[in-house]
Amino acid sequence: DAGVTQSPTHLIKTRGQQVTLRCSPISGHKSVSWYQQVLGQGPQFIFQYYEKEERGRGNFPDRFSARQFPNYSSELNVNALLLGDSALYLCASISGGAGETQYFGPGTRLLVL
Amino acid sequence: GESVGLHLPTLSVQEGDNSIINCAYSNSASDYFIWYKQESGKGPQFIIDIRSNMDKRQGQRVTVLLNKTVKHLSLQIAATQPGDSAVYFCAETLPGGFKTIFGAGTRLFVKA
Repeated sequence: DAGVTQSPTHLIKTRGQQVTLRCSPISGHKSVSWYQQVLGQGPQFIFQYYEKEERGRGNFPDRFSARQFPNYSSELNVNALLLGDSALYLCASISGGAGETQYFGPGTRLLVL
Repeated sequence: GESVGLHLPTLSVQEGDNSIINCAYSNSASDYFIWYKQESGKGPQFIIDIRSNMDKRQGQRVTVLLNKTVKHLSLQIAATQPGDSAVYFCAETLPGGFKTIFGAGTRLFVKA
């Protein structure tokens, strides 16, 4: 079975641009969570989606949005990029239930110049 | 506020020794706790978890202890190996199960 996949692996953008990151969960998993990990810190929760519905959101501005598709893959969008958005963006796959184990992908490293 | 913290930012141990990584959590209502290992350039890797109705859980070479009285979590690694060198995160799932809070991490160095 394939694990969690994310694309692209690396990305460079300039301030003010918009970015879309993609995630495919483990086959059979219906939920994904997105995290931002700034260098030297632990991951910070951004969103969780289950069955295409948002069911949890962290303390991130409205510039961050996400959606989940019928095949349970997900996209994270960030508008009006700031330098401080430079980070590793992680997607986690969850089978579905609350409080179940999250399995992380390798992440997308975003650099904003 | 919500936080999961670690007592030691770095830990250096000799190969073959046991390692103990500690963590404090803030929400007494949290009911699910996880330890992750993260190697350079990779996403966090699940190690072991524990629910709030337990105080100890063992895996292969790893043990997690939960002390709800003082809101403390620890990860014990037996016979630490060079491959255990990584950053270790504790994480706390808030009530409802939809939001997980990670600590800042502890870097474990294993000396050969």
